[in-house]
Amino acid sequence: KQEVTQIPAALSVPEGENLVLNCSFTDSAIYNLQWFRQDPGKGLTSLLLIQSSQREQTSGRLNASLDKSSGRSTLYIAASQPGDSATYLCAVRQNSGGSNYKLTFGKGTLLTVNP
Amino acid sequence: ETGVTQTPRHLVMGMTNKKSLKCEQHLGHNAMYWYKQSAKKPLELMFVYNFKEQTENNSVPSRFSPECPNSSHLFLHLHTLQPEDSALYLCASSHAGTEVMSGNTIYFGEGSWLTVV
Repeated sequence: KQEVTQIPAALSVPEGENLVLNCSFTDSAIYNLQWFRQDPGKGLTSLLLIQSSQREQTSGRLNASLDKSSGRSTLYIAASQPGDSATYLCAVRQNSGGSNYKLTFGKGTLLTVNP
Repeated sequence: ETGVTQTPRHLVMGMTNKKSLKCEQHLGHNAMYWYKQSAKKPLELMFVYNFKEQTENNSVPSRFSPECPNSSHLFLHLHTLQPEDSALYLCASSHAGTEVMSGNTIYFGEGSWLTVV
């Protein structure tokens, strides 16, 4: 059974700092990995999706890397801003039987960026 | 606006009530999902529908009854719930699993906050 772990559970940093969020998964047979952002009381917004054949993806100040063989991904946020404060979730997608595919989520990292 | 709309946003119901959550997507997707998000726990997949057919039921109690009349609409019918069922229920959609190799992103609605009293 796939398990996804995110470290740290919570992180508080001053504005402008570069930071790294970590995600690890136990079963490396994945199709892709996706990072999401969730604001309090809201749904999830997709940030980056990395295919299993890719090593990294970049969008603006965000960079996500994937090391599939070791079951690890990192989300790098450059020059953090108070607006980046949210919970960041990592999810891996894999086949759950036949043509079914499912996402398994971590518990998330709660990020607070202080002005 | 993600293209996935959920109603109601907030719902308080008694344990003997019957209510329904509704989800609608305008993205042309043909796979829809229900997830449950409880405090301090990872998102839990409940149901998956591909082309209106239920393809996954993740051991969800029968007091939760999904319905997918077409690829754009998904319902979650609720009856005789327990207080521990209080959570944020998230609907999501994507292209169907057979298109996974194209890297189909999954889109979530804003969620329905359910409180069972």
